[in-house]
Amino acid sequence: DGGITQSPKYLFRKEGQNVTLSCEQNLNHDAMYWYRQDPGQGLRLIYYSQIVNDFQKGDIAEGYSVSREKKESFPLTVTSAQKNPTAFYLCATRGGGYEKLFFGSGTQLSVL
Amino acid sequence: EDQVTQSPEALRLQEGESSSLNCSYTVSGLRGLFWYRQDPGKGPEFLFTLYSAGEEKEKERLKATLTKKESFLHITAPKPEDSATYLCAAAIISSGSARQLTFGSGTQLTVLP
Repeated sequence: DGGITQSPKYLFRKEGQNVTLSCEQNLNHDAMYWYRQDPGQGLRLIYYSQIVNDFQKGDIAEGYSVSREKKESFPLTVTSAQKNPTAFYLCATRGGGYEKLFFGSGTQLSVL
Repeated sequence: EDQVTQSPEALRLQEGESSSLNCSYTVSGLRGLFWYRQDPGKGPEFLFTLYSAGEEKEKERLKATLTKKESFLHITAPKPEDSATYLCAAAIISSGSARQLTFGSGTQLTVLP
């Protein structure tokens, strides 16, 4: 099945801890994105990557880091510098000549 | 500043009661206007893309339309399974090729049986 896999579905972070959210895709898409969704708010762009080994900051990159070592994978690390990490995190891809974004099923991150 | 605003924030309808959701946008160069459906705890699911004023697209009970300033998502005779949050997003002409989307905050639709 072609698609985008995000894991874990639920994640809990302790104070001072870094956590990493996984995003894997087998759609062969070049561009990958991370969005943050808070209740009652629109999706906000954290980071995006158009090709392997290259990525750019989005609107709310502070306290987050990413890597793009493989076309299929775009993990997001939420660092201890992100003071309000509780949110629903969505990974998306774009490619194949389509303008639209394809989304994963999301990871809900909460603080213990 | 590019902005996308959706209204109302929440809408409750009786089954069969038709209505419309609004998405107004102020962006510097629109490449496309996208509608997504999002169920609780899941990622958004693509519905439509509209590219030019006057364009319309339909899918089952949903019809999306576009003007130069706004888009409407018309829901005809909705059913309870149409309950979801509906997101619109604008793709803007930017200096890069990433064609980022600017999202509205969504309309939470509840259809009562």
